[in-house]
Amino acid sequence: DADVTQTPRNRITKTGKRIMLECSQTKGHDRMYWYRQDPGLGLRLIYYSFDVKDINKGEISDGYSVSRQAQAKFSLSLESAIPNQTALYFCATAAGGSYNEQFFGPGTRLTVL
Amino acid sequence: AQSVTQLDSQVPVFEEAPVELRCNYSSSVSVYLFWYVQYPNQGLQLLLKYLSGSTLVKGINGFEAEFNKSQTSFHLRKPSVHISDTAEYFCAVANFGNEKLTFGTGTRLTIIP
Repeated sequence: DADVTQTPRNRITKTGKRIMLECSQTKGHDRMYWYRQDPGLGLRLIYYSFDVKDINKGEISDGYSVSRQAQAKFSLSLESAIPNQTALYFCATAAGGSYNEQFFGPGTRLTVL
Repeated sequence: AQSVTQLDSQVPVFEEAPVELRCNYSSSVSVYLFWYVQYPNQGLQLLLKYLSGSTLVKGINGFEAEFNKSQTSFHLRKPSVHISDTAEYFCAVANFGNEKLTFGTGTRLTIIP
């Protein structure tokens, strides 16, 4: 089984809908991250969490929210999806003190119509 | 603030030829440097990392990179590429004490048979 899993893997939705993307990990890491990938822009950090009680905004958090339900679970929500949130979303994990060696999930491709 | 520049968005290379993918970074403090690879329809995998010590670091699949502090570069090299190296390659930087990665915009490596 994969160490970092993301569900769903693909999702098509309409403008204005609420969407939740889920991430689970079995690596026992305390750090978890959400990124979005857009062609030509690389990966940009949306939110990150260093433990269950610690949530931080990244560089592009507007329009997104997160929930760290447990050490192993970190969900990303789009409260009211808009077309420019169409992207590939990645979850990543890292162990504290590991010099930022991050492990990535397979990604969720989200299309907002 | 830290930043990464990957000037080459696409690099075509003939099979068995050498390749160099360029990465330059900007930071006011000491850094950790990483190269990640993304194969088609997959998440990112760590290729190699520079934390400290020897400036020449070796990674998986025959890749290596050299940290050059004076030129603020961390170029990735492979002496002989294979079709299986076709992927997108991302350079990333993290400042000492900052557990966030900043990614470059990526370089798509295409191997020509």
